[in-house]
Amino acid sequence: GENVEQHPSTLSVQEGDSAVIKCTYSDSASNYFPWYKQELGKRPQLIIDIRSNVGEKKDQRIAVTLNKTAKHFSLHITETQPEDSAVYFCAASRGYSSASKIIFGSGTRLSIRP
Amino acid sequence: EAGVAQSPRYKIIEKRQSVAFWCNPISGHATLYWYQQILGQGPKLLIQFQNNGVVDDSQLPKDRFSAERLKGVDSTLKIQPAKLEDSAVYLCASSWPQDTQYFGPGTRLTVL
Repeated sequence: GENVEQHPSTLSVQEGDSAVIKCTYSDSASNYFPWYKQELGKRPQLIIDIRSNVGEKKDQRIAVTLNKTAKHFSLHITETQPEDSAVYFCAASRGYSSASKIIFGSGTRLSIRP
Repeated sequence: EAGVAQSPRYKIIEKRQSVAFWCNPISGHATLYWYQQILGQGPKLLIQFQNNGVVDDSQLPKDRFSAERLKGVDSTLKIQPAKLEDSAVYLCASSWPQDTQYFGPGTRLTVL
């Protein structure tokens, strides 16, 4: 069935360094790829998303890249700060199709070392 | 804009008891989702509604879980009877009509 694999499961980086989280998806019809940040005990919050008609999207310190041929997409966080510590989930869906569902990755626990 | 509302926030029950969760989506959002999130895992879709119709319930354990969305607005998710492995956070999310999902605060269920 449809699947989204996410790596690594845990990531620790020095404050100020960059962090990269990678995901691969199996459904070639997927065209919408959101990233969610979930702090401890809180709800997942959308931080950035990308659609299949673009290869890269950036929002301040956060960027996402998409390679449709290889069916993988990545989250890049630059100049990491302590408040970036959280669990990050990638997801994939067919977007506007009413018959589609969103599949989440298993999450990456990011820790920022001071 | 008000967000997705859920209640209760916490629930503790004993196994074999019943429990119900309520969700009120963002006004105007046609699509509503219920997810189960077990500690340390990503959200798993249980059921997806488009207005008051079910789009996907393939991962809903139908022998014990049920959900409804009367009038295409609020929704309730019920577990009867609960098992120990049902302990999780139950997240409700909504979107229009697909695409970006906004999550509620969740209900943390503990089954003893």
